[in-house]
Amino acid sequence: QVQLVQSGAEVKKPGSSVKVSCKASGDTFTNYAFSWVRQAPGQGLEWMGKIIPIFGTTNYAQRFLGRVTITAEESTSTAYMELSSLRFEDTAVYYCASETTVLRYFETWGQGTLVTVSS
Amino acid sequence: EIVLTQSPDFQSVTPKEKVTITCRASQSIGSSLHWYQQKPDQSPKLLIKYASQSFSGVPSRFSGSGSGTDFTLTINSLEAEDAATYYCHQSSSLPTFGQGTKLEIK
Repeated sequence: QVQLVQSGAEVKKPGSSVKVSCKASGDTFTNYAFSWVRQAPGQGLEWMGKIIPIFGTTNYAQRFLGRVTITAEESTSTAYMELSSLRFEDTAVYYCASETTVLRYFETWGQGTLVTVSS
Repeated sequence: EIVLTQSPDFQSVTPKEKVTITCRASQSIGSSLHWYQQKPDQSPKLLIKYASQSFSGVPSRFSGSGSGTDFTLTINSLEAEDAATYYCHQSSSLPTFGQGTKLEIK
């Protein structure tokens, strides 16, 4: 089973971009797909998109199309999520979560990264 | 997009009580429905996969059932440590989550 460790908290200004990393260990990186899920303060879980590194394919939720880019670096077993044109309402904890390429449930979650958008 | 609607949104329960949380999908998703538990300031944890399969290490008091559009998470003999918010998630198409059900222990 893979373990996931995310990068630290960020404070960003409106209109800027943020890039959060998620480093996998404990198993073969290309056995997994990596999704990004966010949770605004006091709110529920919202899926943003995912990458399947072995195929190099990505899928994004409609509402984030054009603003989010998910990438993966096999050499370092790291997935990334970049969100641009940040708004105050993008303040949230951002989680990465792994699923196998066949079994599509989120077996492992990172610890979360708080992104605060503030002027 | 497949919409998942959970009920109730909130429930206050006593220890040893039996709890049932439902999740209804806006269209049929077969058994591609999974349940997670999230405690305050923690990441979600997988409880049930594919509607009724318990995930490794999850206490046997947690069980799931259902298929198609209607699903249920049951907690038998609730314990104080089960205070949390519970989410359903569908993987039939692009993932979506239910809005969550918060369980408070009296």
